[in-house]
Amino acid sequence: DVQMTQSPSTVSASVGDRVTITCRASQGISSWLAWYQLKPGKAPKLLMYQASILHNGAPSRFSGRASGTEFTLTISSLEPDDYATYSCQQYGALPWTFGQGTRVELK
Amino acid sequence: QITLKESGLTLVKPTQTLTLTCTFSGFSLTGSTVGVGWIRQPPGKALEWLGVIYGDNDKRYNASVKTRVTFTKDTSKDQVVLRMTNMGPADTGTYFCAQGTGTYYYWGQGILVTVSS
Repeated sequence: DVQMTQSPSTVSASVGDRVTITCRASQGISSWLAWYQLKPGKAPKLLMYQASILHNGAPSRFSGRASGTEFTLTISSLEPDDYATYSCQQYGALPWTFGQGTRVELK
Repeated sequence: QITLKESGLTLVKPTQTLTLTCTFSGFSLTGSTVGVGWIRQPPGKALEWLGVIYGDNDKRYNASVKTRVTFTKDTSKDQVVLRMTNMGPADTGTYFCAQGTGTYYYWGQGILVTVSS
């Protein structure tokens, strides 16, 4: 299985901060990577797919980048609604696998 | 507007079979390019992809659960059913259904399943 190593596990940030989260794949997955936002008791939301394509309705402050097997999700200016857990998912090789998640918390 | 919702019994005894229903709207589960996936999250752990059923009734299962899980669909009711046999404590977690095949575009809010005697 493709292992997705996500870092950091927690990031403490203030409103307005720039936040970057990284996922590294254990093998090549091309750009078959998605990012999701998770909040307790709510349906997870897709933010990005194919590494850098913003999903309909996702705010433009979110962006994604791929470089080899390293993928990043950046929030350009943190908003109060962005305090959540973020998870990457690869769909380049079955079974699809997820990163461990990054919790963005209030600094 | 695409919505999905999971339903079923939330407390299951060890060795019993879990049956969850995903009821969706806003799309039709027909054809080979449309799918509904099942993903679960044990408490404090990462999401785990369980598998996907396509609109042409093809299925892919994660090897970690392949011998115990079955997906079926009822296109007339816009429903997908997950059955997982021989449930154990490690199967405790929140179970999600989601629309998509690789990328999961829309998700249900999940249902917390507890395995306990």
